[in-house]
Amino acid sequence: QVHLVQSGAEVKKPGASVKVSCEASGYTFTSYGISWVRQAPGQGLEWMGWISPYNGNTNYAQNFQGRVTMTTDTSTSTAYMELRSLRSDDTAVYYCARDSVWRLIAAAKTGGWFDPWGQGTLVTVSS
Amino acid sequence: DIQMTQSPSSLSASVGDRVTITCRASQSISSYLNWYQQKPGKAPKLLIYVASSLQSGVPSRFSGSGSGTDFTLTISSLQPEDFATYYCQQSYSTPDTFGQGTKLEIK
Repeated sequence: QVHLVQSGAEVKKPGASVKVSCEASGYTFTSYGISWVRQAPGQGLEWMGWISPYNGNTNYAQNFQGRVTMTTDTSTSTAYMELRSLRSDDTAVYYCARDSVWRLIAAAKTGGWFDPWGQGTLVTVSS
Repeated sequence: DIQMTQSPSSLSASVGDRVTITCRASQSISSYLNWYQQKPGKAPKLLIYVASSLQSGVPSRFSGSGSGTDFTLTISSLQPEDFATYYCQQSYSTPDTFGQGTKLEIK
């Protein structure tokens, strides 16, 4: 069975950084991408970006450019998402999801779907 | 960015009802449209991908249709476990974007 298991909840102060991990099992890690999606309390879903464990290529949403870094460790089948300069409105549940797109085509990520998702990691930003 | 608009935002229905949720894209997205179900406190679950393909393990009462800018998710006969929030998502171009969600409640 395919599983994504994320790291535990975090509490951070404004201006700090957080790094969330996502350990994959049950499939060939480099044959799929990983997307990160967040959900603020009571709100909808917001895509943050994508990484290819195959070659490390990334595609970040403009809203997070300069503040987010996504990486992978293929030796442990683990993906990481680091978000810096945290603000109170970064308080959210952060999800990783296996993305059916594993590589960019003409520098574009097109056509993916997310399945399965990790269980989510609550990041609370508060002074 | 491509804007995704779902309607209705909320819906009350009874067990056994046929329900349709609509998702409209701000520009053509071909068939790059996926549907997810989310229950409170849980991660979203993929139901339909590329507009009309049923994800493995998802009951056949769920179906999707559409292309271009207009898409629908239909539940043919509501079951108690279907009361949840549903999201559409476009993957035609990044950033991938989601609809605002449709909360399906018990009447």
